[in-house]
Amino acid sequence: DVVLTQTPPTLSATIGQSVSISCRSSQSLLHSNGNTYLNWLLQRPGQPPQLLIYLVSRLESGVPNRFSGSGSGTDFTLKISGVEAEDLGVYYCVQSTHAPNTFGAGTKLELK
Amino acid sequence: QVQLTESGPGLVHPSETLSLTCTVSGFSLTGYSVYWVRQPSGKGLEWMGRMRYNGDTSYNSALKSRLSISRDTSKNQVFLKMNSLQTDDTGTYYCTRAATVAPFDYWGQGVMVTVSS
Repeated sequence: DVVLTQTPPTLSATIGQSVSISCRSSQSLLHSNGNTYLNWLLQRPGQPPQLLIYLVSRLESGVPNRFSGSGSGTDFTLKISGVEAEDLGVYYCVQSTHAPNTFGAGTKLELK
Repeated sequence: QVQLTESGPGLVHPSETLSLTCTVSGFSLTGYSVYWVRQPSGKGLEWMGRMRYNGDTSYNSALKSRLSISRDTSKNQVFLKMNSLQTDDTGTYYCTRAATVAPFDYWGQGVMVTVSS
């Protein structure tokens, strides 16, 4: 199975600060059809996860544009440009290129 | 609007079988796939398996021998059955919709399952 390694495991930020989360894959996530099925989810405390970004960099409908995704192959990054209080929670990367889908271990974003 | 709702028993005894139902609305099971994902308390997410829009299923190899996913399109329901439950199967079980390029776009609220004698 594909292993996704997220760093850092915990991130402390102040409101307005910009932060980045890394997700590295044990193998390329480029599908034979040309798509790269790397997604980012946010799970707020006590809530189910929500989709933020799919296909590496496409923003899900309704997600603020302070969130952005980038990367290719095996290295991917989620950036939050100006953290807001509602962004606190655990961020997961998840790949859907190779069966089975696999998740990173998560990055907890907390207030400094 | 799109909704997914999980239901099932909150308590299962060790070695017994877990049966969960995901009832969906706002979309067709013949147009979208549905995944099952679980989360042990305080831990990360694990993909369990899926019911594809065409009726095909696939499973996490770690769970495949214990897991079965089926559906009733007339009732807009997807079912999960997992046997031989142990205490480390305790956690929250979610169903989530999978669009072709944007999987995990809608989630149910989850159902908490405790495995205990």
